[in-house]
Amino acid sequence: AQSVTQLDSHVSVSEGTPVLLRCNYSSSYSPSLFWYVQHPNKGLQLLLKYTSAATLVKGINGFEAEFKKSETSFHLTKPSAHMSDAAEYFCVVRDTRAGTALIFGKGTTLSVSS
Amino acid sequence: DVKVTQSSRYLVKRTGEKVFLECVQDMDHENMFWYRQDPGLGLRLIYFSYDVKMKEKGDIPEGYSVSREKKERFSLILESASTNQTSMYLCASSFSGWGTEAFFGQGTRLTVV
Repeated sequence: AQSVTQLDSHVSVSEGTPVLLRCNYSSSYSPSLFWYVQHPNKGLQLLLKYTSAATLVKGINGFEAEFKKSETSFHLTKPSAHMSDAAEYFCVVRDTRAGTALIFGKGTTLSVSS
Repeated sequence: DVKVTQSSRYLVKRTGEKVFLECVQDMDHENMFWYRQDPGLGLRLIYFSYDVKMKEKGDIPEGYSVSREKKERFSLILESASTNQTSMYLCASSFSGWGTEAFFGQGTRLTVV
């Protein structure tokens, strides 16, 4: 069975400092992995996805994530936080079988202070 | 642009009512999904459909049913609404292939009183 664990429910950073949001996954098959972002009162937007082409994946707004199979991790990073990055972030797993659903983590709320 | 449209942004219903939430996508996606989102719990899968007339239960199907008679439309039905079904409901759709992401609607905020 698939599952996702986001290790921090809340992360607080200062503007201009690095961001690290941690995610561990469990999947019986080779998974595809995603990070989505949800700004307050907005819909879910795809930040980036891992599809086995490269273990380091670049997304929108300067975010990137590294797939580490040995650690079953897919942590999200950004070198320098911006106030506009404050939002809720979801790590998502989907395995390779046709017709399988996307399974979401419980989310990490990122706060950015000036 | 992919569009996933949910019929209502806000809905208020009474306990015991039968409630229909409708979702339409315009990208010919095979897969469609219904999630509910609650603070601290993330998105939990209620039901999904990988083809017309096909459905599979997700993690929290109790009290819900679904209908997919046409490829573009996926309906969530609350047979007898209860206050613990007050939540944000999100519909999504995707292709079936490897690495395909899901596209989400704006959500329906349902309040059961």
